[in-house]
Amino acid sequence: DTEVTQTPKHLVMGMTNKKSLKCEQHMGHRAMYWYKQKAKKPPELMFVYSYEKLSINESVPSRFSPECPNSSLLNLHLHALQPEDSALYLCASSQNRGASYEQYFGPGTRLTVT
Amino acid sequence: KNQVEQSPQSLIILEGKNCTLQCNYTVSPFSNLRWYKQDTGRGPVSLTIMTFSENTKSNGRYTATLDADTKQSSLHITASQLSDSASYICVVLLGNTGKLIFGQGTTLQVKP
Repeated sequence: DTEVTQTPKHLVMGMTNKKSLKCEQHMGHRAMYWYKQKAKKPPELMFVYSYEKLSINESVPSRFSPECPNSSLLNLHLHALQPEDSALYLCASSQNRGASYEQYFGPGTRLTVT
Repeated sequence: KNQVEQSPQSLIILEGKNCTLQCNYTVSPFSNLRWYKQDTGRGPVSLTIMTFSENTKSNGRYTATLDADTKQSSLHITASQLSDSASYICVVLLGNTGKLIFGQGTTLQVKP
């Protein structure tokens, strides 16, 4: 199984809502990533987890809160988002965080903040 | 500054024709270079990964080249198909960090 799954596929939320994005992989990978991608732009790294511990936070606003409850699962909790946070949110995983490891991307969650 | 630049920004070709996409990078320390294909609204899918010592790598109709001296890479697509219409992103892995430096992508449209 070389698949990274993400749910939901689409999400519309108001600025006062609290929602969560979910990412799952069963490849035994120990590094997982959250990216944000605006239209016609490359993905921007948000967070990196290595062995279930947060290792990189790219100065992301606190209204985005990542969580890695186990080695297969990665969540992104959303609260009090702004319309400019509307984007495609991509999850990825790799065997480890090092140089030679392939990152496998999920299909993404299309988020719209109204 | 660690940067990856791609050209052209967009490209339209007829089905069956070949094309070449370019990538220049200034990432240091360099670990490896990847080409991804991304369909609209989907996650990127890896086409090739090339390390410092590799000059050419093929994956079906896709052939990537790497010149580590000039810090340039190219992706050549042979006998294009309508399904090749997508964004092609050149990505360089920064050192041993796991951090990917993305290019802006080349949007390819293959017309019948």
